[in-house]
Amino acid sequence: DAGITQSPRYKITETGRQVTLMCHQTWSHSYMFWYRQDLGHGLRLIYYSAAADITDKGEVPDGYVVSRSKTENFPLTLESATRSQTSVYFCASSDPSRLAGAHEQFFGPGTRLTVL
Amino acid sequence: DAKTTQPTSMDCAEGRAANLPCNHSTISGNEYVYWYRQIHSQGPQYIIHGLKNNETNEMASLIITEDRKSSTLILPHATLRDTAVYYCIVRVANDKIIFGKGTRLHILP
Repeated sequence: DAGITQSPRYKITETGRQVTLMCHQTWSHSYMFWYRQDLGHGLRLIYYSAAADITDKGEVPDGYVVSRSKTENFPLTLESATRSQTSVYFCASSDPSRLAGAHEQFFGPGTRLTVL
Repeated sequence: DAKTTQPTSMDCAEGRAANLPCNHSTISGNEYVYWYRQIHSQGPQYIIHGLKNNETNEMASLIITEDRKSSTLILPHATLRDTAVYYCIVRVANDKIIFGKGTRLHILP
């Protein structure tokens, strides 16, 4: 009963490096989401995916790349990390085909990323 | 942009009911009202949602005005563990969530 997991939980990297944050869910939910949360801001949507091989931009997609080759995984890649991408990143999933799934998003524990 | 307006912060005494207001004057007929909360350093947690009628579950009650332009989340007997940021969100079911700044609720011992 793992639910939704994120790895790594903490990451320190340098400006210009590529970083990939992983998100895995065991419920076979069709929808998955990536958010970032900075001090003084609420959560902001980066990208989301309605199904495998279907992704779409959210509010703040610049500097990020996503893929969804398998339903259960939704990795987020920072191709060339910048200091402004220092943040806490949350992954979430939902499944509108289920009775309550259209309404509830389940969030992972978050990844705290620091870009030096 | 978030479609809701919430107070920045609120205090409530432990054991009392916490009433968190939310204005959503531009809500459309097919949009639901959702409440999530985020306890420090954790991912947000779904609390409750409603369309027109008042709703209650094991965590909270949601009161929606008849014109649907505002709502109130009620935590009936607040505990210290209810200290969190509470987000009121308006959206169509299945749509992406756009979070606002939320209300920081402090439960006072």
